[in-house]
Amino acid sequence: DQQVKQNSPSLSVQEGRISILNCDYTNSMFDYFLWYKKYPAEGPTFLISISSIKDKNEDGRFTVFLNKSAKHLSLHIVPSQPGDSAVYFCAASADGSGNTGKLIFGQGTTLQVKP
Amino acid sequence: DVKVTQSSRYLVKRTGEKVFLECVQDMDHENMFWYRQDPGLGLRLIYFSYDVKMKEKGDIPEGYSVSREKKERFSLILESASTNQTSMYLCASTATSGITGGEQFFGPGTRLTVL
Repeated sequence: DQQVKQNSPSLSVQEGRISILNCDYTNSMFDYFLWYKKYPAEGPTFLISISSIKDKNEDGRFTVFLNKSAKHLSLHIVPSQPGDSAVYFCAASADGSGNTGKLIFGQGTTLQVKP
Repeated sequence: DVKVTQSSRYLVKRTGEKVFLECVQDMDHENMFWYRQDPGLGLRLIYFSYDVKMKEKGDIPEGYSVSREKKERFSLILESASTNQTSMYLCASTATSGITGGEQFFGPGTRLTVL
């Protein structure tokens, strides 16, 4: 039962253009969403997050949009740079986690930004 | 600077061997996690611990056990390694706070190969 889904295994964009990574979820109890970035042979690093009480959060070139009615979130990277090439994981948590910090991760999307 | 370290970056073991993966964090975090990452499957939670000597099963605990004798250290044990446990193993930690689903900090990962 995949509660967090990233249906696109890979995405290729040209440098300078917009990258849009998508994530869908099924559990309406999720109240906090995060995006992580992972380079090969390294651990994931936190990128940006959004609370369910918001519909948008922006940090520099990165913006996350949340559509609760559609149970969908997306990460926009503008402009995309070759250094953004990595695997991106969407993650979610529910209040019922009891502050254990438990996250549910999606399958990941591999982004390639071409120079 | 926050830090999560894992005892080995690469490990090769034989089928049937007992394998220990060690994780240490220096952030005084209450919660620690073990994941495995496989292509197309994302990060799957094996076990987590929310306090010393406390542990809970994640989504795929079969074939694994854990130990948390000290707050900063969380060990993953493969009692009898099998080839289907060949994977990237990632350790993470996070604080228990008023913020649900706070950021998890990851170690660099251990690439385990079981022959």
